[in-house]
Amino acid sequence: NAGVMQNPRHLVRRRGQEARLRCSPMKGHSHVYWYRQLPEEGLKFMVYLQKENIIDESGMPKERFSAEFPKEGPSILRIQQVVRGDSAAYFCASSPRRDREGYGYTFGSGTRLTVV
Amino acid sequence: DAKTTQPPSMDCAEGRAANLPCNHSTISGNEYVYWYRQIHSQGPQYIIHGLKNNETNEMASLIITEDRKSSTLILPHATLRDTAVYYCIVRVAGGTSYGKLTFGQGTILTVHP
Repeated sequence: NAGVMQNPRHLVRRRGQEARLRCSPMKGHSHVYWYRQLPEEGLKFMVYLQKENIIDESGMPKERFSAEFPKEGPSILRIQQVVRGDSAAYFCASSPRRDREGYGYTFGSGTRLTVV
Repeated sequence: DAKTTQPPSMDCAEGRAANLPCNHSTISGNEYVYWYRQIHSQGPQYIIHGLKNNETNEMASLIITEDRKSSTLILPHATLRDTAVYYCIVRVAGGTSYGKLTFGQGTILTVHP
């Protein structure tokens, strides 16, 4: 049973380009969460999605960032017109259901975005 | 979600038990205590969680005080591969705050040979 798969592992983009980060949750998991870790900082929640729905996007920057989790295929975190400050590690986690009783999320290995 | 306080760093000798404390004095009755760790450059790894009873799994034990204001994560026989940042997180399970883990600065545990 494969874990949470994120690709690419490393992504280099020039300022102004678009970055697309992909996350395939564990088999049977229908809930996906994105976190960002800026250099020398802690992990910050960005967005929580269920299939075809955004449940909580309170941690998403207001502009240039969007996320989706279509019925088929991986979840995508999209960053338009990247700037140097977007350079960070982006982690995805998944869970099989709403966390009614307390459950540990499974995280992927992350995508390291470098904006040059 | 309640805030947590952890020491910034700790050392442990290989083979010894590592006891990582966490204070969460404002915890509410419906909030769980979770522990995750992050080994350098990797994604966070879930370790254990509990509500009020002590818990044990193949990785660690979690001891929660009777008043629930603090807890201790115990790695019974630390190895060099346990060197990581350990995060104690307190949050409600379910409700509107589901999905959102609030990571603090954590404790950097260094296991020495």
